Amino acid sequence: SSELTQDPAVSVALGQTVRITCQGDTLRNYFATWYQQKPGQAPILVIYGQNNRPSGIPDRFSASTSGNTASLTITGAQAEDEADYYCDSRDSSGNHYVFGTGTRVTVL
Amino acid sequence: EVHLVQSGEEVKKPGESLKISCKTSGYIFTSYWIAWVRQMPGKGLEWMGMIFPADSETKYRPSLQGQVTMSVDETIRTAYLQWDNLKASDIAMYYCARLVGNSLDTWGQGTMVNVSS
Repeated sequence: SSELTQDPAVSVALGQTVRITCQGDTLRNYFATWYQQKPGQAPILVIYGQNNRPSGIPDRFSASTSGNTASLTITGAQAEDEADYYCDSRDSSGNHYVFGTGTRVTVL
Repeated sequence: EVHLVQSGEEVKKPGESLKISCKTSGYIFTSYWIAWVRQMPGKGLEWMGMIFPADSETKYRPSLQGQVTMSVDETIRTAYLQWDNLKASDIAMYYCARLVGNSLDTWGQGTMVNVSS
């Protein structure tokens, strides 16, 4: 079973804000990384480190952490943001990585 | 520009062996871990493990230890994922990705593995 838990699905109205959460004890020690996966495509990196976006990722994506919960926020969601989002971080041993269970975001 | 290009879809029978590849370009191959990620049909992403090309050190997800083998060929900048005895439960899309810091910053396009008698 995954050590990182995400809500299975969330929806957001076009242009509104949505927060996706990732819970796990290891997040008290390690930042989460966030990936976006659209149907039929490979995942892409959207947030790494404390709150860093790779080149090409819009600034409407941001991240934060509080206690054992990491969050990815999309401020002003667009239709193209409809996708599955996965967090990942180190596992409890610190030697491996584990993905969260994934959240499907629907933009209404 | 960094690229990871994976080998094509495979259709195999149970018990057969298989080796899929991930050819890299655009960066120093020996400087970064290569991770392998499994995605079973309709399911989420799973870390399988990773390999460091400079010395072939591997770290396998404990539950997968002995089920697969990761390797590299430094001369052609390519990483491999190998099975000796495929099972129906190995049906999945397999991705390779480059690990930079704690993040998978570049991904291959994926290799679909089908196993059917």
